[in-house]
Amino acid sequence: KAGVTQTPRYLIKTRGQQVTLSCSPISGHRSVSWYQQTPGQGLQFLFEYFSETQRNKGNFPGRFSGRQFSNSRSEMNVSTLELGDSALYLCASSFPETRGAPTGELFFGEGSRLTVL
Amino acid sequence: AQKVTQAQTEISVVEKEDVTLDCVYETRDTTYYLFWYKQPPSGELVFLIRRNSFDEQNEISGRYSWNFQKSTSSFNFTITASQVVDSAVYFCALSESFRAGKSTFGDGTTLTVKP
Repeated sequence: KAGVTQTPRYLIKTRGQQVTLSCSPISGHRSVSWYQQTPGQGLQFLFEYFSETQRNKGNFPGRFSGRQFSNSRSEMNVSTLELGDSALYLCASSFPETRGAPTGELFFGEGSRLTVL
Repeated sequence: AQKVTQAQTEISVVEKEDVTLDCVYETRDTTYYLFWYKQPPSGELVFLIRRNSFDEQNEISGRYSWNFQKSTSSFNFTITASQVVDSAVYFCALSESFRAGKSTFGDGTTLTVKP
């Protein structure tokens, strides 16, 4: 069973540019969450999507946005990049909501490492 | 607001030693869920265990065991007879819903197991 796939794995951008990251969840998973991981701030929740709707949102500026498609694939976009946006962006999916006994765990991808110069 | 504190930033042990990773949490919710994840050097976070706030039964799974104490808001994780492959960053997380999509993570504890 394929895991969570994130692309690209590595990318370098300059300040002011924008970036789009992609995430393909495990087949059958309808919830996709995004996290930012940095040495200084740790793992911070960005947003969660379920059935193409944003269900939860973290405390990030409006430059950070996301969306989910009908096939559950998700993208996140960061506009007007700042140096502080350099981080590992992790995507996670979870079991179908209709599962009889959901265990609630998140399945993470390997992440997209963004460097802003 | 929810908060998870992992006071131990780094722990170093010698193979076969037992090691306990501490986790203290804060929440105003009466129902909540606690998780432990492992992040090896490869970078991919791996789920280890979940505990519900209404289930204080401790659990043992092979060399891993978890001690959940609601009275002290702690959810500690013990590795018995540690191995080099246990070297990783371990994260404790808290969610208000069993859907862990929006989880609050601790800062992580870096465990190094030396041969």
